[in-house]
Amino acid sequence: QQQVKQSPQSLIVQKGGISIINCAYENTAFDYFPWYQQFPGKGPALLIAIRPDVSEKKEGRFTISFNKSAKQFSLHIMDSQPGDSATYFCAARPDRDDKIIFGKGTRLHILP
Amino acid sequence: NAGVTQTPKFQVLKTGQSMTLQCAQDMNHEYMSWYRQDPGMGLRLIHYSVGAGITDQGEVPNGYNVSRSTTEDFPLRLLSAAPSQTSVYFCASSQPGYTDTQYFGPGTRLTVL
Repeated sequence: QQQVKQSPQSLIVQKGGISIINCAYENTAFDYFPWYQQFPGKGPALLIAIRPDVSEKKEGRFTISFNKSAKQFSLHIMDSQPGDSATYFCAARPDRDDKIIFGKGTRLHILP
Repeated sequence: NAGVTQTPKFQVLKTGQSMTLQCAQDMNHEYMSWYRQDPGMGLRLIHYSVGAGITDQGEVPNGYNVSRSTTEDFPLRLLSAAPSQTSVYFCASSQPGYTDTQYFGPGTRLTVL
């Protein structure tokens, strides 16, 4: 069963616009929520992560918004650039577990 | 640090052949894992290890074997390759703790004919 649901599958945004990718989860035991970025031909790399004790985390143009009661979290990319074109994965890790569960990914394309 | 390395980068097999995908990390990480990535399916966990001598199954373990004789190495064996195993395979490592950042290798693209 899919424990982390990610949407949309693909997204096209104009340069300078805001890209928004959403994820939802069911397991309340999740305590760590990372986002990974993957460029073609490369392995995924950690972009930004959040724990459920805060509602927002910002690093440069990237922001995670976290809604614990709704069991949803999202990635916002401000001032999107063509270099942000990549596949983005949300993920979650249960408390006291080493395994990270990934969403199915969103292919983001920023138009120049 | 080289990080996580994987060999080979590309491989073509015939149905029924066996092979080993190599993975090594030089960060002294306890946790290592193998994922396969297929279009529209995201990253699916095949096998993982929490330390030398300890392995366990992930979401899609059938047709694959692993072993962990050292902290550094975590090879993935395909016992009898099938076309359904055509995929891109990623190895990852992490040090369990507060953040648990997983570091991924560059991947092996496997085609089974």
